[in-house]
Amino acid sequence: AQSVTQLDSQVPVFEEAPVELRCNYSSSVSVYLFWYVQYPNQGLQLLLKYLSGSTLVKGINGFEAEFNKSQTSFHLRKPSVHISDTAEYFCAVSENWGGSNYKLTFGKGTLLTVNP
Amino acid sequence: DADVTQTPRNRITKTGKRIMLECSQTKGHDRMYWYRQDPGLGLRLIYYSFDVKDINKGEISDGYSVSRQAQAKFSLSLESAIPNQTALYFCATSDPRLGGYGYTFGSGTRLTVV
Repeated sequence: AQSVTQLDSQVPVFEEAPVELRCNYSSSVSVYLFWYVQYPNQGLQLLLKYLSGSTLVKGINGFEAEFNKSQTSFHLRKPSVHISDTAEYFCAVSENWGGSNYKLTFGKGTLLTVNP
Repeated sequence: DADVTQTPRNRITKTGKRIMLECSQTKGHDRMYWYRQDPGLGLRLIYYSFDVKDINKGEISDGYSVSRQAQAKFSLSLESAIPNQTALYFCATSDPRLGGYGYTFGSGTRLTVV
């Protein structure tokens, strides 16, 4: 069974500072990896995804993530954050259940707060 | 119109009441899901349906039931609401042609049980 661990529940940073949100997963099979963002009082928005190929994935709003198979990690990074990046970020893993059926499992979320 | 529409957006109900949350989609996907979001717990799967006749329990199905009225509609019911069911509920669909990554989420229903 797969699981997703987001190592930090809250990450406060100052505007224009770099940020890294950490995510580790456990799975016995190949997986797809995702980061979703939830802005205050809104639904989920896909930030980026890793399916295969290059381990460095670029997403929207200047975010990127690196897949590290040996460390089973998929950390999210941004070199310079803005106030508008304040949101909750969820790491998620999709594991094959058999055939074309997949299960999407979420981490508990990391609240990123960008301060002026 | 949104691809996945949830109604209502917000609802306050009393303990013991029956309530239904509705989800409709225009994606044409067979697969639909209900998740629950609680602060500090992320999203957890309540029920999922791979087609109209295939409905399955997720990790936290106790106290909930679902109905798949058609390919496009998947409803979640709380037969007798209790305060710890206060949460943000998301409906989602997925496209099997995209493997495990073609998910589309609704905007959520915020349910408060008093």
